[in-house]
Amino acid sequence: NAGVTQTPKFQVLKTGQSMTLQCAQDMNHNSMYWYRQDPGMGLRLIYYSASEGTTDKGEVPNGYNVSRLNKREFSLRLESAAPSQTSVYFCASSESPGLTEAFFGQGTRLTVV
Amino acid sequence: TQLLEQSPQFLSIQEGENLTVYCNSSSVFSSLQWYRQEPGEGPVLLVTVVTGGEVKKLKRLTFQFGDARKDSSLHITAAQTGDTGLYLCADTGGFKTIFGAGTRLFVKA
Repeated sequence: NAGVTQTPKFQVLKTGQSMTLQCAQDMNHNSMYWYRQDPGMGLRLIYYSASEGTTDKGEVPNGYNVSRLNKREFSLRLESAAPSQTSVYFCASSESPGLTEAFFGQGTRLTVV
Repeated sequence: TQLLEQSPQFLSIQEGENLTVYCNSSSVFSSLQWYRQEPGEGPVLLVTVVTGGEVKKLKRLTFQFGDARKDSSLHITAAQTGDTGLYLCADTGGFKTIFGAGTRLFVKA
């Protein structure tokens, strides 16, 4: 049972380059999330999708865009990468928001030089 | 904006010792979850607590939720090397779950 799968696991970008982080879940969950994790700052929500066809901003959305391609897939795009976007990115999914358990992928370690 | 403060930030102990880590919120929790994150992995849910004063046990881990629902503690009895990781608390009242920065625990053999 794969759970939440993120690709790639590691990426180095030059400032100004663009890329898309992919996320897929096989648990038939309605809600999906993108977080970034920086040292000493915990996980911060970038965007979330409550259900297929909807997306909304989280705490730190600037510089990112998302697409909920279908119920399984939720991608995160960096249009013009900046060094401040160097971070570890986690995708998560849950049956519904709030009290239900969130399942996380293994993360993507992104470095922008 | 709600702030979650976790303490200590870092803890290094010997196998077999007991420890307690804390999570304090600047406002009342909607509901509280504790996660553990191992190096190179995503966080994994340990427990969800909702009611003030609630105590939950998970093998050697004991979770307490303060009566006023603004603080919580996680106590580990007889720590093992497998307990090593980052312990995160989170307020999960809705879509915008808020996480603390975590307590990084290292258990030495």
